[in-house]
Amino acid sequence: AQSVSQHNHHVILSEAASLELGCNYSYGGTVNLFWYVQYPGQHLQLLLKYFSGDPLVKGIKGFEAEFIKSKFSFNLRKPSVQWSDTAEYFCAVNYQKAGTALIFGKGTTLSVSS
Amino acid sequence: DGGITQSPKYLFRKEGQNVTLSCEQNLNHDAMYWYRQDPGQGLRLIYYSQIVNDFQKGDIAEGYSVSREKKESFPLTVTSAQKNPTAFYLCASSRGGPFNEQFFGPGTRLTVL
Repeated sequence: AQSVSQHNHHVILSEAASLELGCNYSYGGTVNLFWYVQYPGQHLQLLLKYFSGDPLVKGIKGFEAEFIKSKFSFNLRKPSVQWSDTAEYFCAVNYQKAGTALIFGKGTTLSVSS
Repeated sequence: DGGITQSPKYLFRKEGQNVTLSCEQNLNHDAMYWYRQDPGQGLRLIYYSQIVNDFQKGDIAEGYSVSREKKESFPLTVTSAQKNPTAFYLCASSRGGPFNEQFFGPGTRLTVL
């Protein structure tokens, strides 16, 4: 069965530190890749997505992610985090041959101290 | 205002009772989804529907049922057969097709006493 792994369960950073959250997925053919964020008390919302083309994608709030096909990875990065980035982050994969459903990783909680 | 509404926000039920969670969208999306979110488990797919009158089981469908009689509505019933129903339930929708993001509702927290 397809699966998505997020390497870090909880990350704690100080403001202005750089962030990288790992995401790996199992092989299953052509994929579409997503990062979602859930701020405390808010809806899950899309940060960025990759379908094809340039493997470095930029999203909202200064986030970016790089798709490395050979490593089955889609890591999320931000050069300088802010206190307001405190949230839970989910990597999600759509395996195109399986329809439109997403498989989510278990999530990474990011805590940023000011 | 376009979006997805889930009601109620909090729901309490006694063990052994069936309960139905509501999900409505006015985004004119073809596809709708139900996920369950547990701490440390991420989101796990319960059921999804890519078109009216059709739906498929997800990874954890046992103890749940759905219907899709209207494009804008996708109610989820948590039956007494679900062994551990206390959880946060999220509904989502998308335009359908593989190149579309899913939009999520605010969720319903179900507690079975």
